[in-house]
Amino acid sequence: AQKVTQAQTEISVVEKEDVTLDCVYETRDTTYYLFWYKQPPSGELVFLIRRNSFDEQNEISGRYSWNFQKSTSSFNFTITASQVVDSAVYFCALSGRSINNNDMRFGAGTRLTVKP
Amino acid sequence: DTEVTQTPKHLVMGMTNKKSLKCEQHMGHRAMYWYKQKAKKPPELMFVYSYEKLSINESVPSRFSPECPNSSLLNLHLHALQPEDSALYLCASSQGTGELFFGEGSRLTVL
Repeated sequence: AQKVTQAQTEISVVEKEDVTLDCVYETRDTTYYLFWYKQPPSGELVFLIRRNSFDEQNEISGRYSWNFQKSTSSFNFTITASQVVDSAVYFCALSGRSINNNDMRFGAGTRLTVKP
Repeated sequence: DTEVTQTPKHLVMGMTNKKSLKCEQHMGHRAMYWYKQKAKKPPELMFVYSYEKLSINESVPSRFSPECPNSSLLNLHLHALQPEDSALYLCASSQGTGELFFGEGSRLTVL
């Protein structure tokens, strides 16, 4: 069984603070894919990043960075110097060997509020 | 701007009505999906079409009927819905590399 846990339900920070969103996953697959999506108030989920289980390199994209650690089954997401526009619900997701995503499981989501 | 377009953005219907939600993508993706999302919950998979054939049906009630007329279009036909079916219905497509591209959703209210 696959499971994604986002223990932080809501986080509130002040603009320019750094914030880390936690994601812990469970899977028995040796090949799997991890994702982060952003859902702003408009409703559309926006794809941010995909990581496969064989690539443990951390990634940085502008103010966003991701820390993938297989040893702790975690795929955490850090926003540096947060901005009001970062306010959204962020979902971590896990997909197994089927690339058609029919087994993609989303975490419960973390609502991030960035105050000016 | 999203490349997955959903219409209508908002829909209010009675329990005896028949309505349809529509989704269109022009990215050449061969897989399309319907998800249901209740407030403050993650999206839940309803249907998956792969190469225009229904490949996954997550035990969704028959009052929801999907249709994929061609590789760019996806419909969700609604009939005799219940108030608990009120939710945001999200369409997505994928190119087989894993990531999903979502539309902005159709917010459905059943009275």
